[in-house]
Amino acid sequence: GDSVTQMEGPVTLSEEAFLTINCTYTATGYPSLFWYVQYPGEGLQLLLKATKADDKGSNKGFEATYRKETTSFHLEKGSVQVSDSAVYFCALIKSGGSYIPTFGRGTSLIVHP
Amino acid sequence: GAVVSQHPSRVICKSGTSVKIECRSLDFQATTMFWYRQFPKQSLMLMATSNEGSKATYEQGVEKDKFLINHASLTLSTLTVTSAHPEDSSFYICSARDSKGTDTQYFGPGTRLTVL
Repeated sequence: GDSVTQMEGPVTLSEEAFLTINCTYTATGYPSLFWYVQYPGEGLQLLLKATKADDKGSNKGFEATYRKETTSFHLEKGSVQVSDSAVYFCALIKSGGSYIPTFGRGTSLIVHP
Repeated sequence: GAVVSQHPSRVICKSGTSVKIECRSLDFQATTMFWYRQFPKQSLMLMATSNEGSKATYEQGVEKDKFLINHASLTLSTLTVTSAHPEDSSFYICSARDSKGTDTQYFGPGTRLTVL
């Protein structure tokens, strides 16, 4: 079946450091790929998405590129802030199906001043 | 962007009582809504898919008589936890998919249920 694998956390960085959170997926067909962010005590917010190979999703300084050849959708940010501290979830949704997302386990990011 | 609200955000109830959680899509119509449960430091566990005007589809292991779902309109789905027990204490999150056909899920802010 479909699956999403994220790097284990927590990822701990100093402010202004470069961030990479790895995400790889297994799926048949051509899924859409998403990154969601969850701040403490809140629901999930859509951070960015990409719907086809080589698409780059970007938002609030975060970027991720849909790499079909490596089945990856790694999240990057050039300079993190303390306010970026949250849990990040990678997810996929198969087109034309039930639209039920398959989530990764989540990666906690902690940014120190 | 699309907004999904949940009410209440927090609820504390006594064991044996029932609790209703509402999920509303505020600026779009949602034929399909989803209900998730999240345990501390874990990912979301899909409980059921709520379809407007029809019965919900429950995931394996989720008791449909305990977690009643009603999707009475294109903007509202409700989850009722019946005869709640302390083990039902959790963070419940809903999501909605825009009926216009995009595959993006929009999530509510979640409801923290504590059963004493």
